[in-house]
Amino acid sequence: KNEVEQSPQNLTAQEGEFITINCSYSVGISALHWLQQHPGGGIVSLFMLSSGKKKHGRLIATINIQEKHSSLHITASHPRDSAVYICAVPNSGGGADGLTFGKGTHLIIQP
Amino acid sequence: NAGVMQNPRHLVRRRGQEARLRCSPMKGHSHVYWYRQLPEEGLKFMVYLQKENIIDESGMPKERFSAEFPKEGPSILRIQQVVRGDSAAYFCASSPQSFNEKLFFGSGTQLSVL
Repeated sequence: KNEVEQSPQNLTAQEGEFITINCSYSVGISALHWLQQHPGGGIVSLFMLSSGKKKHGRLIATINIQEKHSSLHITASHPRDSAVYICAVPNSGGGADGLTFGKGTHLIIQP
Repeated sequence: NAGVMQNPRHLVRRRGQEARLRCSPMKGHSHVYWYRQLPEEGLKFMVYLQKENIIDESGMPKERFSAEFPKEGPSILRIQQVVRGDSAAYFCASSPQSFNEKLFFGSGTQLSVL
């Protein structure tokens, strides 16, 4: 069963700062998900990636399959980016099963 | 195209009652996943279904919990004889074709057991 470690657990930064959130997993995978959970509880899928890098607006996600590591970056951070960011990978790596989630990174961006 | 719809948004039950949570996936999505988020804890996988089939229920307690995704209608997560420890947010997600595609989440059902 895959295990996921995220860091940092909590992060407070000033508006405009560059943010990096890290995710490591134990079993080789076919794809990794980054999710965002807002204070109201809703969950949004930000990225699903299996190699390289993806960019969407101010968000960038990278993955290194060999090192079993992914990072989520936020450029020019804004208070509306405040949320919990969650990394998730397939339970057994690539089979037809559900996801194992990291504990999440609680991000607060102060104006 | 409506997103993943979950209802009810909030559900209050007394100990011993049954809870039924519904999830209508996005149009064209045939894969449904249920996740549970206990207070102050992360999301945990419960069950993965395709139309009329349970693919993986390894995260679902063996007793009192069941799930279905019939040919017609929403997916249902049923919890019988609820206990206080079942109080949690239950999220449903769907994807178009396979597990290796982007997931779309519903807003969740907050279950409170009194």
